[in-house]
Amino acid sequence: ETGVTQTPRHLVMGMTNKKSLKCEQHLGHNAMYWYKQSAKKPLELMFVYNFKEQTENNSVPSRFSPECPNSSHLFLHLHTLQPEDSALYLCASSQAQGRGNTIYFGEGSWLTVV
Amino acid sequence: GESVGLHLPTLSVQEGDNSIINCAYSNSASDYFIWYKQESGKGPQFIIDIRSNMDKRQGQRVTVLLNKTVKHLSLQIAATQPGDSAVYFCAENFSNSGYSTLTFGKGTMLLVSP
Repeated sequence: ETGVTQTPRHLVMGMTNKKSLKCEQHLGHNAMYWYKQSAKKPLELMFVYNFKEQTENNSVPSRFSPECPNSSHLFLHLHTLQPEDSALYLCASSQAQGRGNTIYFGEGSWLTVV
Repeated sequence: GESVGLHLPTLSVQEGDNSIINCAYSNSASDYFIWYKQESGKGPQFIIDIRSNMDKRQGQRVTVLLNKTVKHLSLQIAATQPGDSAVYFCAENFSNSGYSTLTFGKGTMLLVSP
């Protein structure tokens, strides 16, 4: 139990589908993140939300749309994805203020685009 | 550009040996470093961290060493066990506008044979 819960753990979707990934953190944190992990690549930061405000969009294509309704929940809405978007999508959270705030990850959602 | 990287992609050790995983960073302004362990099919798990005002920090069977002169970080695992087999990431932490952003290296696969 990491304190960060992601659902679904596995998702297969067609390129014309619309789906969403959900993340919930039980750590009382104020910042939440989406990372993408592909084979043979470092973890890539996608989005950051700090106190529900999006503070970073790391040049992510618009077919990925994040939503943060409150500090405990984060969504990643997916539409018209490409096969190269298949990857492990990791949600994470941390305290928002100051340096040296450890980021805690969920178990990830494995996405396969067919 | 600024980056965090790992020297060895794969490290194979015998059970009971000590393991050393290395990491180089290039951002001299970074002041907080974290080691994560990622087992197959799971999200990264926090292992140990160190701040730039320290040279060494010890945990349970793990020690992190920081050499700021040569911008080098290492993770030492004592009496390595098969359960230690995983990918290990170092991450560099710097703050921007009050929130934390991590930059990850590519990771080192640790293989422990009985």
